Amino acid sequence: DTEVTQTPKHLVMGMTNKKSLKCEQHMGHRAMYWYKQKAKKPPELMFVYSYEKLSINESVPSRFSPECPNSSLLNLHLHALQPEDSALYLCASSQDRYLHGYTFGSGTRLTVV
Amino acid sequence: QQPVQSPQAVILREGEDAVINCSSSKALYSVHWYRQKHGEAPVFLMILLKGGEQKGHEKISASFNEKKQQSSLYLTASQLSYSGTYFCGTENPNGYALNFGKGTSLLVTP
Repeated sequence: DTEVTQTPKHLVMGMTNKKSLKCEQHMGHRAMYWYKQKAKKPPELMFVYSYEKLSINESVPSRFSPECPNSSLLNLHLHALQPEDSALYLCASSQDRYLHGYTFGSGTRLTVV
Repeated sequence: QQPVQSPQAVILREGEDAVINCSSSKALYSVHWYRQKHGEAPVFLMILLKGGEQKGHEKISASFNEKKQQSSLYLTASQLSYSGTYFCGTENPNGYALNFGKGTSLLVTP
């Protein structure tokens, strides 16, 4: 298995809702990442987990809450989002943080209404 | 902190060559290159880890000049399938994760 699987593919949520994005990989990668991508912009780093521990939080608002239950799973919990949070949320993984490229999932297209 | 890419956009005829540049204001230890097609996830092309290192991937190759703090991606004899946005990634100063450049949009026409 050489894929990163993200669910759901599309999500529409209201500003008072709570939802979660899920990311899964079975490649034995020990680093996992959340990126946010707006249209015609590069992916923007949000969170990094290395060996299931949060190692980088790029000053992301607390309405985004990451969780890494085990080495294969990464969740992003969403609460009280704003319309400007609408974007493509990409999960990625890599064998380690230093020497290998990232494998990206196909993303969750999030719309906040 | 964000690497600088140039040019912003390139339009090529099939078979033509292109060069995409990526530079940083700080010392680099590695550079990643990715291609993203519209509506799809970025796909890893290659990583360059040492100064002067060159790598190849089909007819796409790259070089890394750590002294100049820059990398270049070379696309030779371009094919229609090369169309997409190319991003370079360099390490985040807070620890190793990637910050991406703004991207170079490449369109190959018949």
